Amino acid sequence: AQKVTQAQTEISVVEKEDVTLDCVYETRDTTYYLFWYKQPPSGELVFLIRRNSFDEQNEISGRYSWNFQKSTSSFNFTITASQVVDSAVYFCALRGTSQGGSEKLVFGKGTKLTVNP
Amino acid sequence: GAVVSQHPSWVICKSGTSVKIECRSLDFQATTMFWYRQFPKQSLMLMATSNEGSKATYEQGVEKDKFLINHASLTLSTLTVTSAHPEDSSFYICSARDVQGSEKLFFGSGTQLSVL
Repeated sequence: AQKVTQAQTEISVVEKEDVTLDCVYETRDTTYYLFWYKQPPSGELVFLIRRNSFDEQNEISGRYSWNFQKSTSSFNFTITASQVVDSAVYFCALRGTSQGGSEKLVFGKGTKLTVNP
Repeated sequence: GAVVSQHPSWVICKSGTSVKIECRSLDFQATTMFWYRQFPKQSLMLMATSNEGSKATYEQGVEKDKFLINHASLTLSTLTVTSAHPEDSSFYICSARDVQGSEKLFFGSGTQLSVL
């Protein structure tokens, strides 16, 4: 079974601080995909990143960076120099391939990030 | 970028009425659309997967007769909550995958349903 755990329910930081959101996943698939989505107060989901299981190279996009560690089944997300606009709920998600390419995404429970000015 | 339009953004209805939610892909064709449900401060749970021209596949525990899904065209899927009850109050969000086979899913802006 697929499972995604985001142990941090809520995080509160002061603007310009760095913050890391943790994500641990479970899957028996050898090929799988990991995602991060941002859900601002308006509700829509904003795609941030997709990473496949064969690519462990860390990625940086502006103030965002992701650390994929297959050995610990983790896919952590770091925001550098946080800004108030980063305040949102962030979801980590997993999609396996054991069901013949099923698109089913399994989401973590989300981490609510509040960045205070 | 690809846009998915979901309508309405919010709806309030009386218990026993039916509510239809539309999900449209505006600038791409979506062979597959997904419907999720999100309770307050909870994660998104997949309700069903709809494929254009065929019956939707429902997740375990989701009543297909209560949550009717129609995916009649490559750009439109609808979710109808039939005989809504207060426990159906939730945030419903759709997503779509384009026919080009992109791994990226595009999400609608969601519909907040409140059943009185």
